[in-house]
Amino acid sequence: GENVEQHPSTLSVQEGDSAVIKCTYSDSASNYFPWYKQELGKRPQLIIDIRSNVGEKKDQRIAVTLNKTAKHFSLHITETQPEDSAVYFCAARWGGSARQLTFGSGTQLTVLP
Amino acid sequence: NAGVTQTPKFQVLKTGQSMTLQCAQDMNHEYMSWYRQDPGMGLRLIHYSVGAGITDQGEVPNGYNVSRSTTEDFPLRLLSAAPSQTSVYFCASSLQITTDTQYFGPGTRLTVL
Repeated sequence: GENVEQHPSTLSVQEGDSAVIKCTYSDSASNYFPWYKQELGKRPQLIIDIRSNVGEKKDQRIAVTLNKTAKHFSLHITETQPEDSAVYFCAARWGGSARQLTFGSGTQLTVLP
Repeated sequence: NAGVTQTPKFQVLKTGQSMTLQCAQDMNHEYMSWYRQDPGMGLRLIHYSVGAGITDQGEVPNGYNVSRSTTEDFPLRLLSAAPSQTSVYFCASSLQITTDTQYFGPGTRLTVL
């Protein structure tokens, strides 16, 4: 099966600075990599995703990069705001299974005003 | 659309009791799944279903049963609750087998005493 490692587990940044969260995966056949944001007491919500045929994807202040050779992908948040404070999860979809996602252990991001 | 709904929101059980967590979606999604979320461990897949009448085990299936008699409903049954099953449970669904985006329900917080 797939194994996803996520770092760091906690991250504090000043408002306006950038934040970067990194994940590595083990299954070279994985082909889909979503990122979820979870606010305290709420459900995880998809914020951006990338497929294995794309190296980078951007949506306003959020971007994701994928390095298939090294088997890692990263979430980049620029111009951070206090409302970006949440737990962020990366995930990877197994290449050979039906829609199964393996999640990283999460990163608690705190944006300090 | 109500999206993905879960009941109850909170539940307290005694060791050995059984119960069913309900999950329903009104988006005609083929794929449904159950995850448990424990502190520092991300989301782990319990069981999943790729369509009515078809279910399969995920990463942590022991102690749980599922069935999928209709496209809309995917209940999770705890056969004999144990303190180790204290967790937050999320149901999720995807539109079709070729669509990757998973939408999560609001979660059920379960405590087993």
